Amino acid sequence: DTAVSQTPKYLVTQMGNDKSIKCEQNLGHDTMYWYKQDSKKFLKIMFSYNNKELIINETVPNRFSPKSPDKAHLNLHINSLELGDSAVYFCASSHRYNEQFFGPGTRLTVL
Amino acid sequence: DQQVKQNSPSLSVQEGRISILNCDYTNSMFDYFLWYKKYPAEGPTFLISISSIKDKNEDGRFTVFLNKSAKHLSLHIVPSQPGDSAVYFCAASDGNTPLVFGKGTRLSVIA
Repeated sequence: DTAVSQTPKYLVTQMGNDKSIKCEQNLGHDTMYWYKQDSKKFLKIMFSYNNKELIINETVPNRFSPKSPDKAHLNLHINSLELGDSAVYFCASSHRYNEQFFGPGTRLTVL
Repeated sequence: DQQVKQNSPSLSVQEGRISILNCDYTNSMFDYFLWYKKYPAEGPTFLISISSIKDKNEDGRFTVFLNKSAKHLSLHIVPSQPGDSAVYFCAASDGNTPLVFGKGTRLSVIA
């Protein structure tokens, strides 16, 4: 059973499109995250979210928005995709701010 | 301002020898430290952690050392194996905010 899953694994799309990446965790965790791993391989946190608060990294453009239909899901919506959005996006979850479990990543390529 | 620094982007070690990966932090509120391992095309996976009340934690071939006065921690892998070749991320937490990750060190274990 996969603890943290993401779909799709690969996403290729044109500039200007709107896309979503889904994330689900079956660990019963209360906190979920989205990270971006850029071309330099740095892991940058984009959002952390639990049922009480959303913490947004101030450097994240407002074209990116997390949506959580329930505690087990945190989807990432991206509007008006740009070339610079090409990266690998990782979802993660944890109990409070303890050890995080990561998904396998979604490689987004914007053409 | 980087709160968690891994100053060596890469490290090469002969199989069977010891690998030492280093990490420095600046935030004195951090009280929990973790190491993650990441293979290409996969999400980071938790490897080992240490609480600030300890100065050493060992798990098989992996040992993490914490020097609070120097705000420094290190991961020792002995003996190193080719399967240990991966990117290693150091992370730190104060318990109230999401983990802060370093930029990673790529370890290559040469057979």
